[in-house]
Amino acid sequence: AQKVTQAQTEISVVEKEDVTLDCVYETRDTTYYLFWYKQPPSGELVFLIRRNSFDEQNEISGRYSWNFQKSTSSFNFTITASQVVDSAVYFCALYQPGGGADGLTFGKGTHLIIQP
Amino acid sequence: EPEVTQTPSHQVTQMGQEVILRCVPISNHLYFYWYRQILGQKVEFLVSFYNNEISEKSEIFDDQFSVERPDGSNFTLKIRSTKLEDSAMYFCASTREIQETQYFGPGTRLLVL
Repeated sequence: AQKVTQAQTEISVVEKEDVTLDCVYETRDTTYYLFWYKQPPSGELVFLIRRNSFDEQNEISGRYSWNFQKSTSSFNFTITASQVVDSAVYFCALYQPGGGADGLTFGKGTHLIIQP
Repeated sequence: EPEVTQTPSHQVTQMGQEVILRCVPISNHLYFYWYRQILGQKVEFLVSFYNNEISEKSEIFDDQFSVERPDGSNFTLKIRSTKLEDSAMYFCASTREIQETQYFGPGTRLLVL
C-alpha cells in the first residue's frame, strides 16, 4: 500500500526566508508519480508539479524548487525568498498505477505561514 | 485555460436529505474523480470514473454514494441520505490519461445539520 508522510504540520517563517517542506513516500512499485498541490485559504487545490519515478532530476520554477531523491524516498519542496502570498497548506501526493486505486494518495499537508 | 468547475460552491442540508454535487470536467479529459476533505484534514480519494463506469472506489464510498455522467459534460456525486460526518469539502478532478496530472475543481463545501 502507498503512503505519504508530511511530518511538518505547520511552519512559520518571516517573509524573504527560504523554507523547505518535507515529503516522504512509501510505495512497493518502481513506477509511480509524485505531485505537490497548494491549497490557499480560499480552499481550491492548485497543481504545482508532477514528477515520475524515473526522472530524478531536480526542478526549479522561479522561487520554487523540488528535490527528488529515490534513495531516501523523499520529494522535498523549497520556496526561496518566501512571500506572504505563499501562505497556504501544501500537499504532497502519490499516484501508483495499478496500486488498487486510481486516486492520489495525499499527505496530511503542511500549513505554511509567511509573516510580513 | 480550461478548468474544472463545480456547483454549488456551498450547500447546507439537513441530515437524511439527498444531495447532488455537480462537476464539469475539462472537456477532453477521460478520467474523472471525486475526493473529500474533512475540515482540517487531508484530501481523501472517493471514486474514479472512466468510460461511463466506476473504475475504482475507496472504502469511504459506500452504498450511500453514487456517481453519474448524465450527459457529455456533467459528472455528479449523489449522497443518498446525508449524515453529519458527510460534512466536508468535495473536490472533483479530471485527467486526460490516468497517469497524468489530475486537475481539481474549486470544491463544494457541504454542511450537514
